[in-house]
Amino acid sequence: GQSLEQPSEVTAVEGAIVQINCTYQTSGFYGLSWYQQHDGGAPTFLSYNALDGLEETGRFSSFLSRSDSYGYLLLQELQMKDSASYFCAVRGFEGAGSYQLTFGKGTKLSVIP
Amino acid sequence: EAQVTQNPRYLITVTGKKLTVTCSQNMNHEYMSWYRQDPGLGLRQIYYSMNVEVTDKGDVPEGYKVSRKEKRNFPLILESPSPNQTSLYFCASSLSGTNTYEQYFGPGTRLTVT
Repeated sequence: GQSLEQPSEVTAVEGAIVQINCTYQTSGFYGLSWYQQHDGGAPTFLSYNALDGLEETGRFSSFLSRSDSYGYLLLQELQMKDSASYFCAVRGFEGAGSYQLTFGKGTKLSVIP
Repeated sequence: EAQVTQNPRYLITVTGKKLTVTCSQNMNHEYMSWYRQDPGLGLRQIYYSMNVEVTDKGDVPEGYKVSRKEKRNFPLILESPSPNQTSLYFCASSLSGTNTYEQYFGPGTRLTVT
């Protein structure tokens, strides 16, 4: 069947590293995006992986393994402002064209002192 | 400033009263889309548009209409709103249909239908 899964909640300590996983099963796949959404705010784009490997942007990194249908978002040197929901999103989910993004249900990250 | 704007930001209405939520972008983007966000369900796509006069259904199009007469505008129309359309709505845009991995979102419209 088709699925797009990520943990619903994660808690981590300020200054630490946290990894948010995303697994998918789909008949089509073009790439995996990550978005951040603070409470009451709009989603904002963080990163995109179309090929296997690690993409780094400052404190944030994103990884994709197409053979394992798996990706993750890595947040380093956590800050309180990183408390937010994080969504993975697949291009081409369920055989849709590359022009559609299907979002996961989101992972709520709480950073504690 | 490059942005996507939506109006109104908050709306309370009654069942059956037609309403329109406007969306406008100033980035000359070809692709525009509407999503609804409900607790525990993430973002679900309602409709999208690849360019002027080109629209198509997303995953949850029932009860909604859209039009794309100008490149910058993509209004969402609820002809007969029902309580199950109470939700947070986001408009988004991207440079083109091949750049949808990076979408720019508006601030959201919180709609309550009583």
